[in-house]
Amino acid sequence: EVQLLESGGGLVQPGGSLRLSCAASGFTFSSYAMSWVRQAPGKGLEWVSAISGSGGSTYYADSVKGRFTISRDNSKNTLYLQMNSLRAEDTAVYYCAKDNLPYCGGDCYLGSDYWGQGTLVTVSS
Amino acid sequence: SYELTQPLSVSVALGQTARITCGGNNIGSKNVHWYQQKPGQAPVLVIYRDSNRPSGIPERFSGSNSGNTATLTISRAQAGDEADYYCQVWDSSLVVFGGGTKLTVL
Repeated sequence: EVQLLESGGGLVQPGGSLRLSCAASGFTFSSYAMSWVRQAPGKGLEWVSAISGSGGSTYYADSVKGRFTISRDNSKNTLYLQMNSLRAEDTAVYYCAKDNLPYCGGDCYLGSDYWGQGTLVTVSS
Repeated sequence: SYELTQPLSVSVALGQTARITCGGNNIGSKNVHWYQQKPGQAPVLVIYRDSNRPSGIPERFSGSNSGNTATLTISRAQAGDEADYYCQVWDSSLVVFGGGTKLTVL
């Protein structure tokens, strides 16, 4: 059974940093690209970042480029999101998501078929 | 940047057919994916690559994509289909979501 479990969320002051983790199980982690998607309270889904299965390719939304860094440790089956220079508008539930097909990602992205339950990040003084 | 436009809300009578649109410039040339999200839950992929259903998704869910509009169709709507629905595409090294449509089953 595929499972994705996010952790690391919490309350942080503006300008602060936080690192999210997503522990994956039930599939060959290194074969799948992974993404982070967030949802501000009462708002829609916003894609944040994606990373290829090998970790060699990364992609970012303009809203987080230069502040957030996505990475993965395939030996630990874990996805990360390092978030720096946090702003109030970064307040959201952050989901990690698994790509639908293996050895894909990027231009051949075909949706995300499994999602974690999310971790809440609150940026406030 | 690429934009996807969805109606804020769609209503459908129980047992009837709901259609949720997703507009974008020449969206017919892109792969469109659809998600269902119920309150307090993570999104669920219901259609990928325009018209393909992941395993476990009922045949009542179907999709099409042509020109400037992609459409998610839900046949024989049930109370359990009431949710927010989002379309999604990959464009220029970015993933783009539509704003979401709230489906109400009357």
